[in-house]
Amino acid sequence: DIVLTQSPDSLPVSLGERATIDCKSSQSLLYSSNNKNYLAWYQQKPGQPPKLLFYWASTRESGVPDRFSGSGSGADFTLTISSLQAEDVAVYYCQQYYDTRRITFGGGTKVEIK
Amino acid sequence: QITLKESGPTLVKPTQTLTLTCSFSGFSLTTRPVGVGWIRQPPGKALEWLALIYWDDDKYYSPSLDSRLTITKDTSKNQVVLTMTDMDPVDTATYYCTHQTFGSSWYRYWGQGILVTVSS
Repeated sequence: DIVLTQSPDSLPVSLGERATIDCKSSQSLLYSSNNKNYLAWYQQKPGQPPKLLFYWASTRESGVPDRFSGSGSGADFTLTISSLQAEDVAVYYCQQYYDTRRITFGGGTKVEIK
Repeated sequence: QITLKESGPTLVKPTQTLTLTCSFSGFSLTTRPVGVGWIRQPPGKALEWLALIYWDDDKYYSPSLDSRLTITKDTSKNQVVLTMTDMDPVDTATYYCTHQTFGSSWYRYWGQGILVTVSS
């Protein structure tokens, strides 16, 4: 299975400051035939299902604020919140779909207010 | 508008078999390249992918749970059923069903989830 390792586990950030979450894959998620990275990002708030933020590593889902950005390629990816808002407090997950028969998720990063 | 909803027991005893139903609308599971999957999340823990069934009846299972899982579809009812045998307290989790498409296997649409507790 492809293993996704997120860091940090917990991320205290002051309001208005930048939050950066890393997701490292045990193998490249870049499919050479189409030059796409098979990675998605989600935000999950308590009591809710996850909400899709990005797919293809950096394609923002409709309605997601532009303070959120996704970057990276190959086996190293980053989710950045440029200016943390109170409503961004949540747990964030990365997910690989390079192997669609065995989807895997990262362990999650909890973003909180410092 | 795509919607999904999970139903089933919220409490099962150890060793029992869990049967969950995902009822969906807004799409057909007879249309290429649609799929419906199941994902679970133990309380306070990460998401874990369980199983997937496609429009053409191709099925995939988590390797660690393969021997315990069965996924089926009833296209006439717009439902997908997941069974998990030999339930254990460690299987206590919220179980979600999801919509996906082959080749674009991210999850835009989720059910609200059903919390299943395994306890005697």
